[in-house]
Amino acid sequence: GAGVSQSPSNKVTEKGKDVELRCDPISGHTALYWYRQSLGQGLEFLIYFQGNSAPDKSGLPSDRFSAERTGGSVSTLTIQRTQQEDSAVYLCASSPGGGTSLGDYYNEQFFGPGTRLTVL
Amino acid sequence: SQKIEQNSEALNIQEGKTATLTCNYTNYSPAYLQWYRQDPGRGPVFLLLIRENEKEKRKERLKVTFDTTLKQSLFHITASQPADSATYLCALPGGLVFGKGTRLSVIA
Repeated sequence: GAGVSQSPSNKVTEKGKDVELRCDPISGHTALYWYRQSLGQGLEFLIYFQGNSAPDKSGLPSDRFSAERTGGSVSTLTIQRTQQEDSAVYLCASSPGGGTSLGDYYNEQFFGPGTRLTVL
Repeated sequence: SQKIEQNSEALNIQEGKTATLTCNYTNYSPAYLQWYRQDPGRGPVFLLLIRENEKEKRKERLKVTFDTTLKQSLFHITASQPADSATYLCALPGGLVFGKGTRLSVIA
């Protein structure tokens, strides 16, 4: 079946512009995550959605970053007034999910291919 | 805060040998740990999950151990092959905290 898809695959923008990154999770998955990965670095958690619960935004690095998930499916990550340090690969993942407690389920995450963002 | 560390940035081994990667965590008592593989330019792919009450779990040539006393998980690849070359990541529950990964190179 179809996996997690992300668009665009590459995005080049100028400093100060806003960008929107899209994630289409696997159908039926209730949990959705956004991460970013800078060159040679590990995955940095950004935001997590679980069903209809309020999202966990604890990883967002600044108020320039926001995300929404419409209808419990597609998610958009928006970065306003981009800075050069925002350049990274942005990865989305979904999982079947379960429960409202972040640590109380045993599900693997299915990752998309990522969006490579370059801010000039 | 929860922290997870993978002891090596890079590991080079010869084909046929067993590769052993280490993951240590602090400030947490996880119910389980996950291991993922990431190839260049791609998202991570899930490999194995081990629960706190499991000492060891195997999948084909992969073996994971979990020592809650040492706060450590070991990931082994036996009879390694060049195709096993990738970055391997460990993650705490929920996947919110990932290690930086160990880049494994298997040399023919």
